[in-house]
Amino acid sequence: GQQLNQSPQSMFIQEGEDVSMNCTSSSIFNTWLWYKQDPGEGPVLLIALYKAGELTSNGRLTAQFGTTRKDSFLNISASIPSDVGIYFCAGQSSEYGNKLVFGAGTILRVKS
Amino acid sequence: ETGVTQTPRHLVMGMTNKKSLKCEQHLGHNAMYWYKQSAKKPLELMFVYSLEERVENNSVPSRFSPECPNSSHLFLHLHTLQPEDSALYLCASSQVGLAGGPRFFGPGTRLTVL
Repeated sequence: GQQLNQSPQSMFIQEGEDVSMNCTSSSIFNTWLWYKQDPGEGPVLLIALYKAGELTSNGRLTAQFGTTRKDSFLNISASIPSDVGIYFCAGQSSEYGNKLVFGAGTILRVKS
Repeated sequence: ETGVTQTPRHLVMGMTNKKSLKCEQHLGHNAMYWYKQSAKKPLELMFVYSLEERVENNSVPSRFSPECPNSSHLFLHLHTLQPEDSALYLCASSQVGLAGGPRFFGPGTRLTVL
C-alpha cells in the first residue's frame, strides 16, 4: 500500500491566501523533507525536519514534524503566482529501511 | 541552477533502440541516485551509488543498466524498453552521511518509448 498519504491532491487558491497541506503515515518517521517541483524541472528541497515537534521556516513556508512522528505539515502564507507547482513530502523510516519514500504530491494552482 | 545537469532533456525511442541518459553533478557530492517519476505517482527510487559503488538496486528490470564511472557522473543505459517505461527520469546527488537522502535533483529526462 501507499507508504505516505499526501493531501490534498490538488488545490486552487486565490493569490494572497494561506495554504496548508499534510503528509500522513501509519509508520513512525525520523526525518521529513518537503520539496517543490516546478514544471519541467526536478524537485527542489524546501525544508528538512529531524525532530518530533520541530517547526522550521523558509521565507513564507513553514513546516512541522508532527509530535506523533507519523505526520508532517507544510504551510505557505500569502501565496503568490510563483508558488504554483507540485509539492512533495518525503520521509525516512526504519520500517522502510531508512530509504527516502515520497508522497504522490500536492498540485498547487494560484488564481491571480 | 541546482548543480545537477541531465542530458538529454527529452528522448523518444523505439522499443528496440539502445540509448543512454547522462547525469553530472558539480557539487562535490559522493552519492548519486536515479529516480523514476510517473504521473500522479510517488517518485520511485531505482538505483543508488555511494562512493562510486552501487548500494541499491530497487528491483529494477535489467533493461535499465546504471553506470557510475566517477563521483561526478552517472549514466542510465536503456535497451529494449517498453511503453510503460515512459516517464521522467530524475538524477539526484547528496553527501554520504547526511541524513535525509538526496538534496539536489537534476531537471530530468522526459523519456517516451514508442
